[in-house]
Amino acid sequence: SAVISQKPSRDICQRGTSLTIQCQVDSQVTMMFWYRQQPGQSLTLIATANQGSEATYESGFVIDKFPISRPNLTFSTLTVSNMSPEDSSIYLCSVEQSTDTQYFGPGTRLTVL
Amino acid sequence: QQQVKQSPQSLIVQKGGISIINCAYENTAFDYFPWYQQFPGKGPALLIAIRPDVSEKKEGRFTISFNKSAKQFSLHIMDSQPGDSATYFCAASRNAGNMLTFGGGTRLMVKP
Repeated sequence: SAVISQKPSRDICQRGTSLTIQCQVDSQVTMMFWYRQQPGQSLTLIATANQGSEATYESGFVIDKFPISRPNLTFSTLTVSNMSPEDSSIYLCSVEQSTDTQYFGPGTRLTVL
Repeated sequence: QQQVKQSPQSLIVQKGGISIINCAYENTAFDYFPWYQQFPGKGPALLIAIRPDVSEKKEGRFTISFNKSAKQFSLHIMDSQPGDSATYFCAASRNAGNMLTFGGGTRLMVKP
């Protein structure tokens, strides 16, 4: 399976600031996704990161709040903009491999004060 | 996103017992049903997955049972061990490479 890393692993941020989370995969993948997992909750898809084009956002998530970049087939970033305490969550990237399975990164634990 | 309902929310099982977690889905277009295991502080790890062309899939102590007509699927953990204590998520998608819709999760505790 793909080896997925995320940076940072955790961060504590002040209200109103922005944080960019990086997702790096050790092999080229077609599909990359970003999920949010609020404390004690399940995972919710934020968007599909498309290589070379704009991300596809799910209902309730907008590009101004969660801009995403996907410059190549092994890397993506998610920015959480103008943060509030309600953004405190674990943010996870996942990738789909040729074996038709999705694998998740270790996650970025964000706390907004 | 179509909903996937998971039960129970929490489960306590004695070591050696069978853990059973159930999921039900609504969207008949779903054709890929994975289960993920998540330990605290870690990302979800794929445990086992099934497609609707089979009614059961077994990998070691883990078995998925699938009932297409009832739109339900379940995870059975045989001979449960304390190391199995984790949160389990069922999920569904229209195909394996597409976005996953997750159930609410089940927190499993296996008592020694």
